[in-house]
Amino acid sequence: GAVVSQHPSWVICKSGTSVKIECRSLDFQATTMFWYRQFPKQSLMLMATSNEGSKATYEQGVEKDKFLINHASLTLSTLTVTSAHPEDSSFYICSARENSGGFFGPGTRLTVL
Amino acid sequence: AQSVTQPDIHITVSEGASLELRCNYSYGATPYLFWYVQSPGQGLQLLLKYFSGDTLVQGIKGFEAEFKRSQSSFNLRKPSVHWSDAAEYFCAVGANSGNTPLVFGKGTRLSVIA
Repeated sequence: GAVVSQHPSWVICKSGTSVKIECRSLDFQATTMFWYRQFPKQSLMLMATSNEGSKATYEQGVEKDKFLINHASLTLSTLTVTSAHPEDSSFYICSARENSGGFFGPGTRLTVL
Repeated sequence: AQSVTQPDIHITVSEGASLELRCNYSYGATPYLFWYVQSPGQGLQLLLKYFSGDTLVQGIKGFEAEFKRSQSSFNLRKPSVHWSDAAEYFCAVGANSGNTPLVFGKGTRLSVIA
């Protein structure tokens, strides 16, 4: 089946720094990828839809200047958490769909100190 | 608007007992339905999916789910639960388009006791 990878799998950073998370579709091309955020013991919350070659579409309440998304190729989307703060600590998961299936990356655990 | 309801937040079953996790959806078109499992600190693993055809679908790890259009349900079942099945289970619905995200339920946490 289709594979989606994420890097890094976990990251710890200081408050005020920026963190970049990469999401790659390894064996298929994804014109659209999705970024989710998951707080402990909660469900996945869609943050934004990443479109190859164009601007991302953000869900209501998600700051686009805070969470920068770039989808420069058909296999790579990046999420940059800018000026991270402790409240940004969360589990970030990317997803891509192929043939209507939904494939998810393994997630990135971000901890901001 | 599309939505997924998983009525049970937490379920505890004995090892070897049968399991049914409920999922109800609201969707304007023909839904594509999914069940995922997530272990603590891990990503999502696809258990099974329904697109069309036979309404009883088989998945990995001995799981199956039945699509009932009249009840807008897609309940997940397993005849005999193993301790390793303890995890969080998410039901999701989506369109038959790769450009739309999946919508998730809030999840059901499964605990397995000896």
